[in-house]
Amino acid sequence: SQTIHQWPATLVQPVGSPLSLECTVEGTSNPNLYWYRQAAGRGLQLLFYSVGIGQISSEVPQNLSASRPQDRQFILSSKKLLLSDSGFYLCAWRKLSWEQYFGPGTRLTVT
Amino acid sequence: AQSVSQHNHHVILSEAASLELGCNYSYGGTVNLFWYVQYPGQHLQLLLKYFSGDPLVKGIKGFEAEFIKSKFSFNLRKPSVQWSDTAEYFCAVESQGNLIFGKGTKLSVKP
Repeated sequence: SQTIHQWPATLVQPVGSPLSLECTVEGTSNPNLYWYRQAAGRGLQLLFYSVGIGQISSEVPQNLSASRPQDRQFILSSKKLLLSDSGFYLCAWRKLSWEQYFGPGTRLTVT
Repeated sequence: AQSVSQHNHHVILSEAASLELGCNYSYGGTVNLFWYVQYPGQHLQLLLKYFSGDPLVKGIKGFEAEFIKSKFSFNLRKPSVQWSDTAEYFCAVESQGNLIFGKGTKLSVKP
């Protein structure tokens, strides 16, 4: 069966520091991968998606970037965090059936 | 751009009450529709989905949703809620392979 992992689970970082959140998927190959941010009262905002290694599409221009160095690895990064980057970051994968499966998420607090 | 509207931000019900959560979307073409649920401390998970066919869709845990094309709606229903249904519920529409989510509705069920 397929599983999706995210780490870290929680992170507290100062403003201006770099960020790296990792997402890996097991049990499938060549999935579509997604990064979302969930903010209270604002639902889930799609940040990036990837249909293959090295292929990244950005939905919202902002302080973040994403990379897909391996088929089942998706990384969310920032060079300098802003206060507004605080939130709950969710990784998801999808294959064939239009259902997305979500990871456990990372709670990021920028101080 | 497509959008999804969930009109209720927070719904409070007593156990055994009936539930209906509204969801409207803006896209006029063929759509795939979803309801996701996030229980406290758990992953976002699929509750039910509509791709085609019978507009009344049955999901897990006694939930159902009705797709009404003329109203651009996909409301979620449950005849009798339980305390364990306390969660946040997200409606989503598929657009060009990506999910557009509503802002979510928090459901609190009083025992």
